[in-house]
Amino acid sequence: GDSVTQMEGPVTLSEEAFLTINCTYTATGYPSLFWYVQYPGEGLQLLLKATKADDKGSNKGFEATYRKETTSFHLEKGSVQVSDSAVYFCALSLGRDDKIIFGKGTRLHILP
Amino acid sequence: KAGVTQTPRYLIKTRGQQVTLSCSPISGHRSVSWYQQTPGQGLQFLFEYFSETQRNKGNFPGRFSGRQFSNSRSEMNVSTLELGDSALYLCASSLARRAGGLDEQFFGPGTRLTVL
Repeated sequence: GDSVTQMEGPVTLSEEAFLTINCTYTATGYPSLFWYVQYPGEGLQLLLKATKADDKGSNKGFEATYRKETTSFHLEKGSVQVSDSAVYFCALSLGRDDKIIFGKGTRLHILP
Repeated sequence: KAGVTQTPRYLIKTRGQQVTLSCSPISGHRSVSWYQQTPGQGLQFLFEYFSETQRNKGNFPGRFSGRQFSNSRSEMNVSTLELGDSALYLCASSLARRAGGLDEQFFGPGTRLTVL
């Protein structure tokens, strides 16, 4: 079935470090791909998305490129901040309905 | 514009009881989806309602049910609660402008259910 696999956390980095969170997917069709972020005590917020192969989603300094050949959608940021500490979820949707399939989430801790 | 609201934010119940959670979507949004979030299973899709009809359903037992009202507000009900139902229940709404289309889902803060 359709699924999303992302690197397990927690990931701990120092402020201004480079961030990569790996995400790969399995899907029967051509999914749209998403990264969501969940700050402590809050619901999920859409961080970025890409709807077709080679699209790059970007927001708040985060980027991810839809790689069909490797079925991947890795999240990157060049210089993280303490305020980026949160749980990040990679997700996909096949667009047939509003159902979203999430990865297990990666907790990110940024140290000052 | 107000965001998605969920009530209550926290709930404590005992095994065997039933519970009803409420979700008010963003004004104008017609689709409401429900997710269960647990440390072990992560985020799992429960069901989605569109124009008062259940349009999609995840792999949960029949103890989990929901409905949507004409104003798009939604409720989910869990009967005969089990310890394993302890979770954060998230509601998300979207415009759902077209069937099969993909509109951004906006999530509420969730209801934290604890079953003792």
